[in-house]
Amino acid sequence: NAGVTQTPKFRVLKTGQSMTLLCAQDMNHEYMYWYRQDPGMGLRLIHYSVGEGTTAKGEVPDGYNVSRLKKQNFLLGLESAAPSQTSVYFCASMSSGNNEQFFGPGTRLTVL
Amino acid sequence: GEDVEQSLFLSVREGDSSVINCTYTDSSSTYLYWYKQEPGAGLQLLTYIFSNMDMKQDQRLTVLLNKKDKHLSLRIADTQTGDSAIYFCAEWRGSYIPTFGRGTSLIVHP
Repeated sequence: NAGVTQTPKFRVLKTGQSMTLLCAQDMNHEYMYWYRQDPGMGLRLIHYSVGEGTTAKGEVPDGYNVSRLKKQNFLLGLESAAPSQTSVYFCASMSSGNNEQFFGPGTRLTVL
Repeated sequence: GEDVEQSLFLSVREGDSSVINCTYTDSSSTYLYWYKQEPGAGLQLLTYIFSNMDMKQDQRLTVLLNKKDKHLSLRIADTQTGDSAIYFCAEWRGSYIPTFGRGTSLIVHP
């Protein structure tokens, strides 16, 4: 049982490049989330999903897109990266039966 | 507002008790959580308390909830260097999206 995994762990992009962050969970959780963490800002919700095939915007969705084609995977896309998107990105998942979120180890993204 | 507020830093000496405080604004919060984030890692649930409780104790951890003042605290007894981390307070209001505080960095020095 790997829990929540994130790929890649680190990435450096140039402004304007695109990339996709992958989150996978093997706990059969219905809910999945993407957060970004910046110094002094805590966690800010980017997008979330309450089930396969559904997604919704969080607090800071601009510049990001997501997809949940399979229940176990939640993808976060940056179509045209900007330096303001330099951050640490965390994925989380949760069962509909309780309120405990399980977090992945994070992806550290730098946009030059 | 609907913010969860925490102080950003706390420094304690090894062996002392640490008290991390949090205030929230929504009286309808059903659960209140404490998460721990160690350097370079994701958040892990440390403990939680239901809104109908005043106190919860779990080994070195004590959570106190004052609903009247909307104040939550986490006390760590006999603080060790391994307790150095960022501690996040979070509230749930019955939906599937928690509201997190900005995190308190606990620094434990010898």
